[in-house]
Amino acid sequence: DAGVIQSPRHEVTEMGQEVTLRCKPISGHNSLFWYRQTMMRGLELLIYFNNNVPIDDSGMPEDRFSAKMPNASFSTLKIQPSEPRDSAVYFCASSPRDRARGYTFGSGTRLTVV
Amino acid sequence: AQSVTQPDIHITVSEGASLELRCNYSYGATPYLFWYVQSPGQGLQLLLKYFSGDTLVQGIKGFEAEFKRSQSSFNLRKPSVHWSDAAEYFCAVGHRTNFGNEKLTFGTGTRLTIIP
Repeated sequence: DAGVIQSPRHEVTEMGQEVTLRCKPISGHNSLFWYRQTMMRGLELLIYFNNNVPIDDSGMPEDRFSAKMPNASFSTLKIQPSEPRDSAVYFCASSPRDRARGYTFGSGTRLTVV
Repeated sequence: AQSVTQPDIHITVSEGASLELRCNYSYGATPYLFWYVQSPGQGLQLLLKYFSGDTLVQGIKGFEAEFKRSQSSFNLRKPSVHWSDAAEYFCAVGHRTNFGNEKLTFGTGTRLTIIP
């Protein structure tokens, strides 16, 4: 199993540009989570999907952020337009229906907006 | 709403010494509790979890944690740390969703430094 795969690992972009982060969950996992990690706020849950359907997006900071999961093997998190305060590490995690198995995290995307 | 407090931002321990990282939670029902470890530049890896039963749970890499309901705590311990244990440690409490899995709320983390 290749685990949760995120791309790119690093992204540097200019303020105002669109940024798209990608995630491939583990095959067979039915839930997918997007987290943002910063020094100031720690790990924040942005949105999660179950069976490709967005369930709770209350953590999405504002309308500039959007997430999609068109199929069970792919999800995107888009920021448009990006701002310097969006600089953070963004993690994707997936989990199976069996709650005893917890989450599997990807290695994250470090986003820097200049 | 559930919450997790990790009171220690940074802990320094000598290699070979024992370790205890503190975690306190707030949750209305019986909590599902987790400890994750994050090495620099990496994602989070599950160390151990508590769901029910024996309040002392064993995890990977020689770690254990004890659930104490009366103290709302789930402290992580290791009898003898190794230099490779230097990392960030996160405690989390789970809220079961209607879909059978957990929505996790994380603490702010404790950074562990190991000195020779």
